[in-house]
Amino acid sequence: DAGVTQSPTHLIKTRGQQVTLRCSPKSGHDTVSWYQQALGQGPQFIFQYYEEEERQRGNFPDRFSGHQFPNYSSELNVNALLLGDSALYLCASRTGWTLNTEAFFGQGTRLTVV
Amino acid sequence: AQSVTQLDSHVSVSEGTPVLLRCNYSSSYSPSLFWYVQHPNKGLQLLLKYTSAATLVKGINGFEAEFKKSETSFHLTKPSAHMSDAAEYFCVAYNTDKLIFGTGTRLQVFP
Repeated sequence: DAGVTQSPTHLIKTRGQQVTLRCSPKSGHDTVSWYQQALGQGPQFIFQYYEEEERQRGNFPDRFSGHQFPNYSSELNVNALLLGDSALYLCASRTGWTLNTEAFFGQGTRLTVV
Repeated sequence: AQSVTQLDSHVSVSEGTPVLLRCNYSSSYSPSLFWYVQHPNKGLQLLLKYTSAATLVKGINGFEAEFKKSETSFHLTKPSAHMSDAAEYFCVAYNTDKLIFGTGTRLQVFP
């Protein structure tokens, strides 16, 4: 089992550009969440997808959007990139809604906006 | 809303000595709390979780944490540090289906 896989591992973009990050959940998991971890900070919840719908959203602007596919994989899209969007983006997957199931995290995508 | 406060941004210990990483939580009801560890270039890994079954929670790699409602604390401990324990540790609360992370404590272990 490959666990949660994210791609790419590193990315450099220019201000104003758009970026798409990808996440494949652990086998058997149907719920995917995205987190942003700025340097020296704890991860911040962006949103969560279940059954191809956004179920929960954190305090992030509409420039951040996502998608979940029928195979449960997910994408995070960020439009009009700002320097402040530079961070490690983490994907987490688990089964169902209850937190009795452990959330497994990928290694993240390091996004640098220049 | 739930929140967590990690009282130390950095903790340094010698190998073989005890580890104490402190966390206080803020909640109006009985919380679900977790400790995660993040090694460099690796994903976050769950160390242990508290879900009201027992106040003393044992986790992986010899770590444990005690939930103290009277002190609103959930401190992480280990009797004897190992070099491989050097990492970033996060105290985490569950709030309406999302995880709320503290700011993290960086643990350094010296030989």
